[in-house]
Amino acid sequence: GAVVSQHPSRVICKSGTSVKIECRSLDFQATTMFWYRQFPKKSLMLMATSNEGSKATYEQGVEKDKFLINHASLTLSTLTVTSAHPEDSSFYICSAKVHSGNTIYFGEGSWLTVV
Amino acid sequence: DAKTTQPPSMDCAEGRAANLPCNHSTISGNEYVYWYRQIHSQGPQYIIHGLKNNETNEMASLIITEDRKSSTLILPHATLRDTAVYYCIVRFYTGTASKLTFGTGTRLQVTL
Repeated sequence: GAVVSQHPSRVICKSGTSVKIECRSLDFQATTMFWYRQFPKKSLMLMATSNEGSKATYEQGVEKDKFLINHASLTLSTLTVTSAHPEDSSFYICSAKVHSGNTIYFGEGSWLTVV
Repeated sequence: DAKTTQPPSMDCAEGRAANLPCNHSTISGNEYVYWYRQIHSQGPQYIIHGLKNNETNEMASLIITEDRKSSTLILPHATLRDTAVYYCIVRFYTGTASKLTFGTGTRLQVTL
């Protein structure tokens, strides 16, 4: 299947700082990427849909000013958690929809710990 | 997206077939059935998808009932590495509604 890569896989940051997570589609173009958050022993929760060259669409209850999403190219989307707090600690997962098809592939996920 | 109902957990002996059921009684004619799995602390892995016909690939088979209100994912010879949470998702194929919405899934435990 198609490869989606996230970086970093793990990050620890201090409370009040911002942290950026990258999501890349390595062998295909992705006009649409999705960002999820997953708390321990819970299912994935969709945060936002990111379309290349346009503003992201956020799910209800997700603060767009706190979770900044940029999708500047067909192979890269970034999620920036601004002014992070311990409750933002979670597993963040991106996925990308193959432009020439419709299957969605997921990255390996990024563990964020805010201390 | 139509909601799906899956059993919370299942056990399967290694080497046996694992049959994971999913109910999607409110599925619409334009929605596909997708299956993903998530091994602990990893991103979900695509397994298979289908619309009406049964589908098979190197990982699994997907059996969809004629009325499309339910489906079964079959792992023909389960191994310990198949232990994971399996998610059945119905999704529009295209357009803005084509996002994947995850339910609680089925936790499959493959044992020796």
